[in-house]
Amino acid sequence: DTGVSQDPRHKITKRGQNVTFRCDPISEHNRLYWYRQTLGQGPEFLTYFQNEAQLEKSRLLSDRFSAERPKGSFSTLEIQRTEQGDSAMYLCASSPAVEGVNGYTFGSGTRLTVV
Amino acid sequence: GEDVEQSLFLSAREGDSSVINCTYTDSSSTYLYWYKQEPGAGLQLLTYIFSNMDMKQDQRLTVLLNKKDKHLSLRIADTQTGDSAIYFCAEKRGGADGLTFGKGTHLIIQP
Repeated sequence: DTGVSQDPRHKITKRGQNVTFRCDPISEHNRLYWYRQTLGQGPEFLTYFQNEAQLEKSRLLSDRFSAERPKGSFSTLEIQRTEQGDSAMYLCASSPAVEGVNGYTFGSGTRLTVV
Repeated sequence: GEDVEQSLFLSAREGDSSVINCTYTDSSSTYLYWYKQEPGAGLQLLTYIFSNMDMKQDQRLTVLLNKKDKHLSLRIADTQTGDSAIYFCAEKRGGADGLTFGKGTHLIIQP
């Protein structure tokens, strides 16, 4: 296992289009997180899955955002009707059930640019 | 306040020690983390400290935790140019599933 993989690395889209990102966590990790990072800021928590169940959503996650983890393995994050303010790095992280001692392993992110 | 706070920039010379400071928000935070981010890359976990500890050392890294003041620091000994990066402090707040990050400290190591 080579860590948390995210695809694509970069995405440029026109305002109003829909985009979907994929995250493949470390295989033995049952927890998966999505974060958003804008320029000059730290990552901001968006949502969290334990296995296939989405257990927490931040108020940052508007109705245009939806995340799934259908089989408890990979996850997708979809943004509908993209806006310029959605331009950011979208980071995925995973952790085992007892995350404290291992922290969260982050992927390299998907950089979204909305033009 | 609501924010995890860090100074934005820190500069040091190669071979010196660098100390990055952080003030967190929640006295019930269980774990506190330091992450490193290099340009265009994701976040790399450097070290963590559990809230019942006041110090942790890991090779060149020393973490100090002052729970009373909610202050966390990361000392990097014998800094190298490869240590130049953005360093994020993060807390796992009680009852929360995600981490709350600071804005990051840009560490610049000069030869």
